Amino acid sequence: YELTQPPSVSVSLGQTANITCSGDKLGQKYASWYQQQPGQSPVLVIHQDYKRPSGIPERFSGSNSGNTATLTITGTQAMDEADYYCQTWDDSAVIFGGGTQLTVL
Amino acid sequence: QVQLVQSGAEVKKPGASVKVSCKASGYIFTNYAIQWVRQAPGQRLEWMGWINGDNGKTKYSQRFQDRVTIIRDTSASTSYMVLSSLKSEDTALYYCARDVTVHQQVHDGFNVWGQGTMVTVSS
Repeated sequence: YELTQPPSVSVSLGQTANITCSGDKLGQKYASWYQQQPGQSPVLVIHQDYKRPSGIPERFSGSNSGNTATLTITGTQAMDEADYYCQTWDDSAVIFGGGTQLTVL
Repeated sequence: QVQLVQSGAEVKKPGASVKVSCKASGYIFTNYAIQWVRQAPGQRLEWMGWINGDNGKTKYSQRFQDRVTIIRDTSASTSYMVLSSLKSEDTALYYCARDVTVHQQVHDGFNVWGQGTMVTVSS
């Protein structure tokens, strides 16, 4: 099972960024999203498709339907520039996407 | 607070084995599974396997099936990952992470991560 992410996404400061993650019938599974800053451990920003862990800003939201999960960052800030990874499960194995580098212009 | 603290950096020769520890605190160790994930320099996250903190059941990635062993010591609230027959391509940062959901009731994400352990394989 594979998850496909665009290698890079660019967004202007204050605008909305959408990062997609595609996989066969992904909408029938739970998707999670991680933010990873350079030199840091990953941080969970969305789990179970749309749930935000405590401490994650409201500008982060998620959706998952059909073959695509989407992480949306509304009002993107400079501090959101990072790598983002989607993740799901397949037959008790964990699958990560290839990661998307978000650039804030 | 809930945290995972990993052992320090390792340098190994090709063909050797490495054992990385992950000590949990701030929660009931047996209530959650521990995941092991690695990241080669500049590369993506790569899942290696998990261990159920309660019953010790494991699941490994097919990519590492014959070289990785994950164990736990409940008395020490610690999980260990052993990777054998090391190659230069195994040079990476190795992370442990904890499931969001207790007892793996839901295939969910991982909300607590260790600081990572750098393993360098070089002759």
